[in-house]
Amino acid sequence: EVVLTQSPGTLSLSPGERATLSCRASQSVSSNYLAWYQQKPGQAPRLLIYGASNRATGIPDRFSGSGSGTDFTLTISRLDPEDFAVYYCQQYGTSSTFGPGTKVDI
Amino acid sequence: QVQLVQSGAEMKEPGASVKVSCKASGYTFTRYFIHWVRQAPGQGLEWMGSINPGDGTTNFAQTLQGRVILARDTSTTTVYMELSNLKFEDTAVYYCLVISQGYWGQGTLVTVSS
Repeated sequence: EVVLTQSPGTLSLSPGERATLSCRASQSVSSNYLAWYQQKPGQAPRLLIYGASNRATGIPDRFSGSGSGTDFTLTISRLDPEDFAVYYCQQYGTSSTFGPGTKVDI
Repeated sequence: QVQLVQSGAEMKEPGASVKVSCKASGYTFTRYFIHWVRQAPGQGLEWMGSINPGDGTTNFAQTLQGRVILARDTSTTTVYMELSNLKFEDTAVYYCLVISQGYWGQGTLVTVSS
């Protein structure tokens, strides 16, 4: 099973700042099948990035994904007040696993 | 438009089974795998398994192997998730989803309580 580790656990930033979130896999993620989600309290997760670097429909271009193999990054170029939430990475090859999440707060 | 509509909340006793449905519409049902994910109160996301609606093949998380069944009915474009031998720690919101398209069901709360 592929284990995903996210860092940091919590990221404390201010609106307008840049956020860099890391997701590291215990083994190479096949075909870069790596997704990023945003989740706010009481809501279902929202897909931000799939295939490591492809923005989902309707996602602002301040969100970008990069990486390959075992190291992946989600970057939010300038934090908007609505971006403060928990972010999860997920690998979805034949099987799937989630990382533990990174909380981005003020 | 694309919708994944799940069945309603359930309350079960320990040792019982629960069956949650997920009806897909607005796209070709057999085109995308449907996955199931759950989230216990205050916890992170846990992948449970997936089904290929085209041929019915399934894949499960090792921790749930033997307790979860996924099935599909192509005539009604519905996928079913059945979890057996329920434990208190199975209390969670259960979601069906299509990963690559970002389609999520609304979630079904399953509460295990005596």
